[in-house]
Amino acid sequence: KNQVEQSPQSLIILEGKNCTLQCNYTVSPFSNLRWYKQDTGRGPVSLTIMTFSENTKSNGRYTATLDADTKQSSLHITASQLSDSASYICVVTLNTGGFKTIFGAGTRLFVKA
Amino acid sequence: DVKVTQSSRYLVKRTGEKVFLECVQDMDHENMFWYRQDPGLGLRLIYFSYDVKMKEKGDIPEGYSVSREKKERFSLILESASTNQTSMYLCASTTNQPQHFGDGTRLSIL
Repeated sequence: KNQVEQSPQSLIILEGKNCTLQCNYTVSPFSNLRWYKQDTGRGPVSLTIMTFSENTKSNGRYTATLDADTKQSSLHITASQLSDSASYICVVTLNTGGFKTIFGAGTRLFVKA
Repeated sequence: DVKVTQSSRYLVKRTGEKVFLECVQDMDHENMFWYRQDPGLGLRLIYFSYDVKMKEKGDIPEGYSVSREKKERFSLILESASTNQTSMYLCASTTNQPQHFGDGTRLSIL
């Protein structure tokens, strides 16, 4: 069964600290993996996208990694800011020629001052 | 910047009502999607459309229908609303990837 599981479910960190969010998937055939940020009351916004051959992608203080062998991805946030408080959603697209995507349930990150 | 606009941020309807959720995008994208988002679950695809008047069922189409009469507009219809359709509804559009999302409509069915 195609699944995307994220951990932890929620996380609280102090402003300025780093954190890492995890995404494990059992999706096949794999096309790409994306991380989205969803602020409260807003729609998700794409942070990074990685294909099978890419193992790291950065977007400012966000760095995503992908290990296609173990089917794991992580999103590392450096020097967190209060504005990083949001849900982070891992999304895997299947390589079936259509738009079949599997969404993780997300990690809710709280950054406190 | 891509703009995906959903007509209502919050909506309250009664059981049995016919409900219309509207979505408009301004980037001439061929593909548009409707998802629902529930706590503890990932986004689930209800319907998508890859062209005007074309539609495809997603993973949870039961109780919903869609309409795409113009390229920029994709409507989700709840034919007879039920309480289990209380949820956040997100519209998205794309040419390829990534998908661009609207800010969602939080729908409550009483």
